[in-house]
Amino acid sequence: AQSVTQPDIHITVSEGASLELRCNYSYGATPYLFWYVQSPGQGLQLLLKYFSGDTLVQGIKGFEAEFKRSQSSFNLRKPSVHWSDAAEYFCAATLGDSSYKLIFGSGTRLLVRP
Amino acid sequence: GAGVSQSPRYKVAKRGQDVALRCDPISGHVSLFWYQQALGQGPEFLTYFQNEAQLDKSGLPSDRFFAERPEGSVSTLKIQRTQQEDSAVYLCASSLGTTNEQFFGPGTRLTVL
Repeated sequence: AQSVTQPDIHITVSEGASLELRCNYSYGATPYLFWYVQSPGQGLQLLLKYFSGDTLVQGIKGFEAEFKRSQSSFNLRKPSVHWSDAAEYFCAATLGDSSYKLIFGSGTRLLVRP
Repeated sequence: GAGVSQSPRYKVAKRGQDVALRCDPISGHVSLFWYQQALGQGPEFLTYFQNEAQLDKSGLPSDRFFAERPEGSVSTLKIQRTQQEDSAVYLCASSLGTTNEQFFGPGTRLTVL
């Protein structure tokens, strides 16, 4: 079955430290991949997306993600976390023939220590 | 311009009541999507419109759920005879086309007592 897995429910990092949020997908073919951020009371905001080509993708707010086909992963990274990055992060995927239908992971809540 | 708006932002219903949730997409966006987000979970796809045509309703959990977009703009998600398991945040998203970025609204939090 098609699925997206985010193995970490919560992650806590200190402000200024680096961050990596994990995402794995299970599909027969390479899906389109996305990372969204959701702040309390706010809608989901797209951070970055991967369709094809360069496997290292740059996004907004200093985030980047790397697609690794061999590991079926699309991990999100940031070299230096700011307190304002505290939020819920969702990895999502679509498959070519239903490319409008986002399938989301269960999310990772990021807490930032001052 | 304005983003996707949803109303009401919060809705409390007694079990068995009918509710209607409204979504105003970004002007000119052809595609419109509804998702359901249960507490502590990621959003789950409910249904998809292209203009006024509902092209995919495979995610609607039961026949109590009904969505429409009669003029290809505003959409309404209706839930009849609400049950406690319907409690969730209902998110609406719109996009220029099928495979373009989806822009999400703030959601409607539905609580069924």
